Amino acid sequence: GAGVSQSPRYKVAKRGQDVALRCDPISGHVSLFWYQQALGQGPEFLTYFQNEAQLDKSGLPSDRFFAERPEGSVSTLKIQRTQQEDSAVYLCASSLGPSGTGLYEQYFGPGTRLTVT
Amino acid sequence: QKEVEQNSGPLSVPEGAIASLNCTYSDRGSQSFFWYRQYSGKSPELIMFIYSNGDKEDGRFTAQLNKASQYVSLLIRDSQPSDSATYLCAVNDYGQNFVFGPGTRLSVLP
Repeated sequence: GAGVSQSPRYKVAKRGQDVALRCDPISGHVSLFWYQQALGQGPEFLTYFQNEAQLDKSGLPSDRFFAERPEGSVSTLKIQRTQQEDSAVYLCASSLGPSGTGLYEQYFGPGTRLTVT
Repeated sequence: QKEVEQNSGPLSVPEGAIASLNCTYSDRGSQSFFWYRQYSGKSPELIMFIYSNGDKEDGRFTAQLNKASQYVSLLIRDSQPSDSATYLCAVNDYGQNFVFGPGTRLSVLP
C-alpha cells in the first residue's frame, strides 16, 4: 500500500510569495499532523486534523500559516507572504486512530523542503 | 512549555557495541514515548514506542522508561554502520501534540 506522500518535494519561493504544500495521507487514516523541521532540530508540531476537523492549530507560528483538510483526506498547508525564517522541511504524518485512542503510530511523508530567498 | 531534551551528539560507537541514547522530558503528564530514526535527508521512521515503566525489547532495540525520573532511553545492541542516523525522542500526553527532542546523532564506526 502507498505511504504518506507530499508534494512538491522541493520548493523555492521568493520572499513575499504564497506557497501551498500538499499531503496525501495513508488511505483511511483519521489523524493528520503537520510539523516543521529546521535543520538540525526535531520536528515541531504545527497542527492536527481528525478527519476534516482541525482540532489543534496551536503550533502554527503566525496567521500567515493556514491548513485545511476539507474532505478528511488530502491536506494543504498554505503559507502566505513567505519569510526567510519559514525555510524548513515541512513534514506531514498520518495515523490510523483519532488522538487519545492509543493508536499512535505516526507514518511520516518524505517532507517538502521549502527555501525562501 | 513542554520540553524534551537529548544530547545532540555525535555519539560514536564501534560496530558491535551497545549504543545508549537518552531522553528527558519536562511534562509529568506525558503518557506515551516514541523513538524515531531519521537518516539524513529522509523522514522519521518509528522504531519503538513505550507506555509503561520498565523495559520493552524488539530485536536489537530496547526502550527503557522511568516516569518517576522523567527519563526514557533506547539501547541498540550489536550496533551496525547502518544504524548511523539521528534518533529522535518524542513524547505525547494522549493529546494530539507530540513533542520531539532535537535528536541525537549516532555514528557507528566499522
